[in-house]
Parts: sequence; structure tokens; C-alpha cells
Amino acid sequence: DTAVSQTPKYLVTQMGNDKSIKCEQNLGHDTMYWYKQDSKKFLKIMFSYNNKELIINETVPNRFSPKSPDKAHLNLHINSLELGDSAVYFCASSPPTGQGAYNEQFFGPGTRLTVL
Amino acid sequence: DQQVKQNSPSLSVQEGRISILNCDYTNSMFDYFLWYKKYPAEGPTFLISISSIKDKNEDGRFTVFLNKSAKHLSLHIVPSQPGDSAVYFCAASGSNTGKLIFGQGTTLQVKP
Repeated sequence: DTAVSQTPKYLVTQMGNDKSIKCEQNLGHDTMYWYKQDSKKFLKIMFSYNNKELIINETVPNRFSPKSPDKAHLNLHINSLELGDSAVYFCASSPPTGQGAYNEQFFGPGTRLTVL
Repeated sequence: DQQVKQNSPSLSVQEGRISILNCDYTNSMFDYFLWYKKYPAEGPTFLISISSIKDKNEDGRFTVFLNKSAKHLSLHIVPSQPGDSAVYFCAASGSNTGKLIFGQGTTLQVKP
């Protein structure tokens, strides 16, 4: 059973295109996240949703728009893709406070986005 | 401004020996620290954590030490096994923010 899944695993596209990455978790968690791992390998948080409500929004261009149709899904839509958007994007989820290790987050396998 | 730093990009140890991975942080508001392990083409997986009220937490072969005055933590793996070869990320969180700040990772290679 896959706990946190992402599709697609690889995404190659041209500059200027619009693309989406989907994330689903079957852990029953309330909170989901998107992280970006750039070419220097830094993992940086982009967004966090708690029960479909946006709670963390780091300094991310407006071209990035997360959407959470329900608490098990958090999708990431990117408009007008740029070369600098090339990275690996990880989705994660975490249990409600008080359940499990504090702030332990469970990560998906990542989506490698390449913008040409 | 990198608040969590792992200054050693790589570490190589012999199987059976101790691996020590280090992490430094600058934000004194961090109160929870985690280590994640990552294999190629996979997402990070949680390994072990420590609260700022403790200075040591042990789980099998893995022990995390926290030195708050030095703003330093370390992960000890003993004995090291070839399957431990991976990238290890240190992460910190503060005040129940839900936000993890990651270091840039240390690649550990355990040689048979």
C-alpha cells in the first residue's frame, strides 16, 4: 500500500506551458505539504494545507497554485513554466498534533520536473 | 539565510564502524529536530527525532544527540551497515508551526 503517492513521477515540458502534479495520501492525515528540492539539493517548503485550508504559504511565485479538493489530496498547478522551475517536487503529509511523532512528515516519491 | 546546515556533503565509513553525521542550526526558536534518510528516486523517510527538552534519543542502531548551547545535533549510527548508504537530512521545527526547515543533506557511504 502506497502511503503518499504522486503523479507523474517524471514530467518534461516546454517553457511557458501549464502543468499539474497530483498528490494523494491514504494515511488519514489532516495536513499535507509541497516541498521543492532544487539543483543544490535543498528541500524547501512551499505550501501546507490542513483539512483543505491553506496554512503555510512561503514566498512562492503566483504561478504556483495548490488545490486541495479534500484532505486526502493536494495538487500543485504551475502556470507559465520557467527554466528555474526545474526541480524535484515532493508531497508530504503529517498526522494531527498529538498523534505520532511531533511533526513527523511522510513523503511521496517525488516528481522530477524538467523545463526545456 | 540557511537556518539548518550540514557542513559535510559526504561521509564514507567502513561497515561495522560508527557513522557520525552533524547538523548545526541558527534559530534558537527551533524546539524539535528530526533526521530523515533518502534513497535515490525515493522520498525522504523519517528516521529519528528529538525534542529540545532532551539531549539524547536512541532507537536501535540510531542515536541523536542535541547540544542546545552549541546549537548542534548529531546522528550516530552504530554499527554502520551497507544498507545505511543514503542521503541523510537534518530538519528542525519550531513552536508547533508544522514547518520543517531542512539542511542540505549528507551522503553517507558505508563500505563492505
